[in-house]
Amino acid sequence: GDSVTQMEGPVTLSEEAFLTINCTYTATGYPSLFWYVQYPGEGLQLLLKATKADDKGSNKGFEATYRKETTSFHLEKGSVQVSDSAVYFCALSRVAGNNRKLIWGLGTSLAVNP
Amino acid sequence: DAGVTQSPTHLIKTRGQHVTLRCSPISGHKSVSWYQQVLGQGPQFIFQYYEKEERGRGNFPDRFSARQFPNYSSELNVNALLLGDSALYLCASSLTGGSGQPQHFGDGTRLSIL
Repeated sequence: GDSVTQMEGPVTLSEEAFLTINCTYTATGYPSLFWYVQYPGEGLQLLLKATKADDKGSNKGFEATYRKETTSFHLEKGSVQVSDSAVYFCALSRVAGNNRKLIWGLGTSLAVNP
Repeated sequence: DAGVTQSPTHLIKTRGQHVTLRCSPISGHKSVSWYQQVLGQGPQFIFQYYEKEERGRGNFPDRFSARQFPNYSSELNVNALLLGDSALYLCASSLTGGSGQPQHFGDGTRLSIL
């Protein structure tokens, strides 16, 4: 079945460091891919998305490219800030018959130290 | 515009009781999905509704049920509560629930079972 695998956390970085959070997926067909972020004490927020191969999603300095050949959607940011400390979830969405749903990774916790 | 709103924000129940959680989608959104997020894990899909009809169901027992009303708001009902039902229950809305559409999440209802 469909699945999403994220790198395990927690990830701890210093401010202005480069961030990569790996995400790979298993799915038939052509899913849409998403990164969601959950700040402490808050609900999930959409960070960025890509709906087809080679699309690059970007938002707030974060980027991720939909790589069908490697079934990956790695999240990157060139210079993290303390305010980026949160849990990041990779997810895929596809339609299978009458079923539409998001399938989630387990989440990667990021802590950025000043 | 208001985002997705959920009520109540917190709830404490005992084993065997039942609970009703409520969700109001973003204005104009016709699809609502429910997720269960156990502490430290990614959200697990429970149901998706579109235009008052169930469009998807996750791997949850029949104790879990939901419905969507003509104004597109939704209720999640859980009967015969178990300790393992303690979790954050998230509601998400999207325009039509299609694969490429981002889902906008509410802040969730935190359910604790004693």
